[in-house]
Amino acid sequence: GAVVSQHPSWVICKSGTSVKIECRSLDFQATTMFWYRQFPKQSLMLMATSNEGSKATYEQGVEKDKFLINHASLTLSTLTVTSAHPEDSSFYICSRREGVSYEQYFGPGTRLTVT
Amino acid sequence: ELKVEQNPLFLSMQEGKNYTIYCNYSTTSDRLYWYRQDPGKSLESLFVLLSNGAVKQEGRLMASLDTKARLSTLHITAAVHDLSATYFCAVDVGGSEKLVFGKGTKLTVNP
Repeated sequence: GAVVSQHPSWVICKSGTSVKIECRSLDFQATTMFWYRQFPKQSLMLMATSNEGSKATYEQGVEKDKFLINHASLTLSTLTVTSAHPEDSSFYICSRREGVSYEQYFGPGTRLTVT
Repeated sequence: ELKVEQNPLFLSMQEGKNYTIYCNYSTTSDRLYWYRQDPGKSLESLFVLLSNGAVKQEGRLMASLDTKARLSTLHITAAVHDLSATYFCAVDVGGSEKLVFGKGTKLTVNP
């Protein structure tokens, strides 16, 4: 069964509004989770590393004030897209790593459309 | 900066044929992942390769890793239509758990 869930699975919002996406680790307390973005017909790009109890680490070129990440508990990380614009429309996927197997589990993804 | 290159990017093949997808990466890493993605869906884990010479097989798919050559292959044997999907390889960045993905190979298996 799924080990990482995301909510919502899809969302449509108007330009200028903010959207929050939740990522839950269902069976494992994850101190670290990851957020990726995938544009249509492209590969996945890592946006940031979400660290429980501390600030997220953002990849180069990702605006930390625009993509707010909060990892308030060992099972929940949230990504808030602030003041969304149409170019933020994308598929956002979170992941976490299994403890000793190095397996990386991905959530089902959230498709964001900004109109 | 770690770069991951996959080829081919597009692959159209007939059922019953064999083919190999290649994944090259630019810096040392001991962890390589293969994923499958169906349209509109997230990633499904296929293989995790953790050491030089690792070989794993599941059904018609077999993956191998040569860390010295910085090369992994995903071999498809006797392809069937259900294998049609996009396949990504991804490499762990220096043990950080962060993954750098290749551009993906879109596989279409024709009857």
